[in-house]
Amino acid sequence: DTGVSQNPRHKITKRGQNVTFRCDPISEHNRLYWYRQTLGQGPEFLTYFQNEAQLEKSRLLSDRFSAERPKGSFSTLEIQRTEQGDSAMYLCASSLVRMHGYTFGSGTRLTVV
Amino acid sequence: GQQLNQSPQSMFIQEGEDVSMNCTSSSIFNTWLWYKQDPGEGPVLLIALYKAGELTSNGRLTAQFGITRKDSFLNISASIPSDVGIYFCAGQLPYSGGSNYKLTFGKGTLLTVNP
Repeated sequence: DTGVSQNPRHKITKRGQNVTFRCDPISEHNRLYWYRQTLGQGPEFLTYFQNEAQLEKSRLLSDRFSAERPKGSFSTLEIQRTEQGDSAMYLCASSLVRMHGYTFGSGTRLTVV
Repeated sequence: GQQLNQSPQSMFIQEGEDVSMNCTSSSIFNTWLWYKQDPGEGPVLLIALYKAGELTSNGRLTAQFGITRKDSFLNISASIPSDVGIYFCAGQLPYSGGSNYKLTFGKGTLLTVNP
């Protein structure tokens, strides 16, 4: 098991373009989380899946954001019509249902120019 | 929403010194977690605390879950250069209709260790 894997590690995109990030959680973990982290801040919750079901979305997640976890394994986070304010580190994490601490991936650093 | 006040914001110390940082909250948390984040990487879990008053160690790291359940501290003894990084506290709310899975993070403490 290599931990939580996120791709790509870095993404530079022009404003208005769509981007998609992928997260591969630890294989036996049934919960998957997306967080966003801006410079000088701690991670902030975006959304969460238990198996393939998306159970909560933060108000931070505008209509331009969509996340999927089609087979309860990997997950994708898509941002449509990117804006400069979307520039941040997008972190994925996974856990088992009864675990309190998550295992985070290395993140995808998004820069919107 | 819940907020965690983490202090200090940054620390610059000499190798070998002990370090202490803390987090306070206006809300009661069921679980306190301490993470370390290196530049360009995701946070790595250092210590998890589950009971009020609990004191837990992980090598040179010691953390305590405050009795009021609204605070926690982390101590690092005999610091070494590889302790450099950002340390985050995170709290998890008591179970309430399934919302206890979310972590609320502090803003972090940037630790610099001078060899």
